[in-house]
Amino acid sequence: DVKVTQSSRYLVKRTGEKVFLECVQDMDHENMFWYRQDPGLGLRLIYFSYDVKMKEKGDIPEGYSVSREKKERFSLILESASTNQTSMYLCASSLLQPLNGANVLTFGAGSRLTVL
Amino acid sequence: GNSVTQMEGPVTLSEEAFLTINCTYTATGYPSLFWYVQYPGEGLQLLLKATKADDKGSNKGFEATYRKETTSFHLEKGSVQVSDSAVYFCALHNSGGSNYKLTFGKGTLLTVNP
Repeated sequence: DVKVTQSSRYLVKRTGEKVFLECVQDMDHENMFWYRQDPGLGLRLIYFSYDVKMKEKGDIPEGYSVSREKKERFSLILESASTNQTSMYLCASSLLQPLNGANVLTFGAGSRLTVL
Repeated sequence: GNSVTQMEGPVTLSEEAFLTINCTYTATGYPSLFWYVQYPGEGLQLLLKATKADDKGSNKGFEATYRKETTSFHLEKGSVQVSDSAVYFCALHNSGGSNYKLTFGKGTLLTVNP
């Protein structure tokens, strides 16, 4: 069964800490994404990557950075966590060339981060 | 730019009731349209999709028809079950764009009572 695995389901961090959220996919997908999910706001794209070492800003990149050193792994980094970054973070992946024009994302289970 | 508007929840139904969750979109060109579902404690998973006008996507008893004339992709199910309780997201992908991100609606929480 194909999978996107997020290493931590629940994290509690303190303001100012550096936080790493890790995501690994086993489908040989080129594209990987980090979304943030908040009640009433839906999903908002933070960053995405279409190849190793390549990244593009999404809709809300401020306060975040990403790293993609290997095709299967995409990391989200909060350099100095703040309370307004308390949220559910969702990683996803997809093929570079969508099949039949439909870019289907496969999501991980999510990482719920609380910043105190 | 691209945008997706779906009906606000929460929606509460009794088992075997008929479900409609409205979704309309704004996009240039010919986007692909999706419904994703998020069960409690899980990530999103694809429920159904449609890639061109008049296509009907269907899965697990759910259906949605891509209506270009009304820019809509409403989700329907004839008889809901308690196990359908989840958050439903409408989304679009504009294949004419240079990136591969999806634009999501804000989600609709569905609760089905026995």
